[in-house]
Amino acid sequence: SYELTQPPSVSVSPGQTATITCSGDKLASKYACWYHQKPGQSPLLVIYQDTKRPSGIPARFSGSNSGNTATLTISETQAMDEADYYCQTWDSTTASRVVFGGGTRLTVL
Amino acid sequence: QVTLRESGPALVKPTQTLTLTCTFSGFSLSTSGMCVSWVRQPPGKALEWLALIDWDDNKYYSTSLKTSLTLSKDSSKNQVVLTMTNMDPVDTATYYCARTKRGAAVTNYYFDYWGQGTLVTVST
Repeated sequence: SYELTQPPSVSVSPGQTATITCSGDKLASKYACWYHQKPGQSPLLVIYQDTKRPSGIPARFSGSNSGNTATLTISETQAMDEADYYCQTWDSTTASRVVFGGGTRLTVL
Repeated sequence: QVTLRESGPALVKPTQTLTLTCTFSGFSLSTSGMCVSWVRQPPGKALEWLALIDWDDNKYYSTSLKTSLTLSKDSSKNQVVLTMTNMDPVDTATYYCARTKRGAAVTNYYFDYWGQGTLVTVST
């Protein structure tokens, strides 16, 4: 079955750039999207279709997808960006289904 | 304004069947590209996708849970219903429904609106 792998945790200092990766076999042949989730809240879409930002998401959030890895980049990271981040794609190689990564806890130190 | 709200029992016993209803507004599930999905999250754990129903009434299920899940929709009430049989304590989780959009490409699915979630505990 298709899997997406994320690092369990990433730390960043305020004002610096945070990079969160999501790895999957030939992931660039699919579309990836990203969600962030703060404690006690529902997930929020921050990037879809590899690079697009929904309305209301700051331009500090950007995405890319190349080879086997999709990347979420948060520039000028703020304390409010501290959350869990999940990548997601759709796999149709073995069975048509949604796949989530295991999540990355972003800590802003 | 798009909204989704999950409803159902907060507590079920092992082996029972769980029925959850997603009531939505602000969009039509008959519109091409529109879907509704169910996602769950055990306490302190990651998101797990369960099932999706699309505008054409196609249904997709998690491979690992396929035999226990059933989706249905009532377009007149703007509702999607998920049933999950043979509940087990490991199924204790917050269950979310989410509007899912499919872009032009077959792999382009994303969840742009989420409900607040409903916590379901499986216990005797």
